[in-house]
Amino acid sequence: EDQVTQSPEALRLQEGESSSLNCSYTVSGLRGLFWYRQDPGKGPEFLFTLYSAGEEKEKERLKATLTKKESFLHITAPKPEDSATYLCAVHGSSNTGKLIFGQGTTLQVKP
Amino acid sequence: DTEVTQTPKHLVMGMTNKKSLKCEQHMGHRAMYWYKQKAKKPPELMFVYSYEKLSINESVPSRFSPECPNSSLLNLHLHALQPEDSALYLCASSHAGTSGGGEQFFGPGTRLTVL
Repeated sequence: EDQVTQSPEALRLQEGESSSLNCSYTVSGLRGLFWYRQDPGKGPEFLFTLYSAGEEKEKERLKATLTKKESFLHITAPKPEDSATYLCAVHGSSNTGKLIFGQGTTLQVKP
Repeated sequence: DTEVTQTPKHLVMGMTNKKSLKCEQHMGHRAMYWYKQKAKKPPELMFVYSYEKLSINESVPSRFSPECPNSSLLNLHLHALQPEDSALYLCASSHAGTSGGGEQFFGPGTRLTVL
């Protein structure tokens, strides 16, 4: 059964304090790993897609990496506006059309 | 245009009411999705339309009835809902049909409250 586990559940950082969020997955035939950002009461905002181990994507202070078992979302010198819930999801070959989501990591960045 | 729009933003309804949620995308995407999200939980898939045909129904109660009038529009008809159906309802779309995978783009959601 395809599964996604995110850690930590919650993370509190000081502004400028870099850290990483983890997404561990088990999936038969990875067809894509996705990172989303979600602000309270709003829809998830697409950030990155990763397809194969070794792949990396960057956007401003965020960098996503992928291995065969996990993905990391690295946040460099975060700002208060980076506070949000970050969701990881996978699309496997056995669940065509269905994203399997992790429970999310809620990040709070204090000024 | 890289947006998925949803109306209304908020909806309050009684258990005997009939209402509809609407979703629209103009990105030429061929798959559209309905999700339900409860507080502090990830989105939970309800329905998937691929090339305007219902391809996935995640055993959703019949009081929720999806409709895809054309490739840009997706509706969710609501009837005789229960208070536990109160949630954020999200629409999403993706470029390829469901067999193609790819990232899904979400709308802002409709906050539904059932009294």
